[in-house]
Amino acid sequence: EAGVAQSPRYKIIEKRQSVAFWCNPISGHATLYWYQQILGQGPKLLIQFQNNGVVDDSQLPKDRFSAERLKGVDSTLKIQPAKLEDSAVYLCASSLGQGAAFFGQGTRLTVV
Amino acid sequence: GESVGLHLPTLSVQEGDNSIINCAYSNSASDYFIWYKQESGKGPQFIIDIRSNMDKRQGQRVTVLLNKTVKHLSLQIAATQPGDSAVYFCAENISGTYKYIFGTGTRLKVLA
Repeated sequence: EAGVAQSPRYKIIEKRQSVAFWCNPISGHATLYWYQQILGQGPKLLIQFQNNGVVDDSQLPKDRFSAERLKGVDSTLKIQPAKLEDSAVYLCASSLGQGAAFFGQGTRLTVV
Repeated sequence: GESVGLHLPTLSVQEGDNSIINCAYSNSASDYFIWYKQESGKGPQFIIDIRSNMDKRQGQRVTVLLNKTVKHLSLQIAATQPGDSAVYFCAENISGTYKYIFGTGTRLKVLA
């Protein structure tokens, strides 16, 4: 069974530029999550989708971050404009309802 | 809560010894818990889970113990191997939310 796929693996951008990350969850998983993990910390939930609807985006900085999940499968997370403090690993995960969440390898973003 | 910064708690154990990693969770309404292992440059990897109607669950070389009275979770690794070196996180799922909140990570170092 294929795992959660994310791309790109690495991205370096200048502050005030925009960037987008892509995630393909495990087939059949209705729930999709985006987490932000700053170096040395645990993952922090940014947004949670159930199929193509948003369940929780309370910790998403909506002035600069946006996310969508087209047709309830793939998802993209966008940052515009990026700030230095957005440097982190962005992790996508998926789950079958209230089952274990499985994570992708993440995208390491460096904002310079 | 959020993890500490760059100074994660560290547990150093001799190869072959048993390891015990502890976690305090925050919400008494949490009913499902997962331990994840995260190696450098990778996403969190599922190790073992436990539901709140159990107090112990065993896997291959790993055991999770749950004490709901004091909101405490532990992960026991038997005969620790060099490949067990990683950061370990516990995650709690608040009943009905399908949302995973990560605890403070612990870095496990296995000494040869």
